[in-house]
Amino acid sequence: SSELTQDPAVSVALGQTVRITCHGDSLSNYYAGWYQQKPGQAPVLVIYGKNKRPSGIPDRFSGSSSGNTASLTITGAQAEDEADYYCNSRGSSGHHVFGTGTKVTVL
Amino acid sequence: QVQLVESGGGLVKPGGSLRLSCAASAFTFSDYYMSWIRQAPGKGLEWVSYISTGGDTIYYADSVKGRFTISRDSANNLLYLQMDSLRADDTAVYYCARGSRQSQVAFDIWGQGTMVTVSS
Repeated sequence: SSELTQDPAVSVALGQTVRITCHGDSLSNYYAGWYQQKPGQAPVLVIYGKNKRPSGIPDRFSGSSSGNTASLTITGAQAEDEADYYCNSRGSSGHHVFGTGTKVTVL
Repeated sequence: QVQLVESGGGLVKPGGSLRLSCAASAFTFSDYYMSWIRQAPGKGLEWVSYISTGGDTIYYADSVKGRFTISRDSANNLLYLQMDSLRADDTAVYYCARGSRQSQVAFDIWGQGTMVTVSS
């Protein structure tokens, strides 16, 4: 299966650490991409490859992977990190696939 | 700055057609694979289609295969999505996105999106 599953929602206290997970068979073959999406805005890539951050993404965002699970960790969450987060990978026959999304609430 | 700008969205009746365009600027368009990705109202992201740098490799999600056609005009830095036989469940914001050259998976630049509404 090329599906990617994520927990629907997580919450984190301001300044604390939160980990978002993504599960799927394709993650044993590819490093996931991770995207942040705020209401009414296009997604923004925050992590790709083996824990790489695009220019401008704060270093409190980090990624890891083990077997069929990819994780995005926000260390020292800020109010502006409240958003939806999606993982993605490539499934069968070269198709891309996105995770179900996780809503992160910063308390 | 590096930018993608979609256009062509709108209201169309079920069974109708629409062609979306995506104009790329400030980067060498022909060096990048591209995709269309959509998001239905209140829902998550759904990958729709992929086209390789040279346009010779194309993939479609099962939900649009046989109805949508992706193409690119690298001379003019344009990406297209021809959408035929539209259905109500095609209603979504459609984003074009640039594939990262450092990843086979990630999309590093996204357009602002164009809304497609399929309704009678």
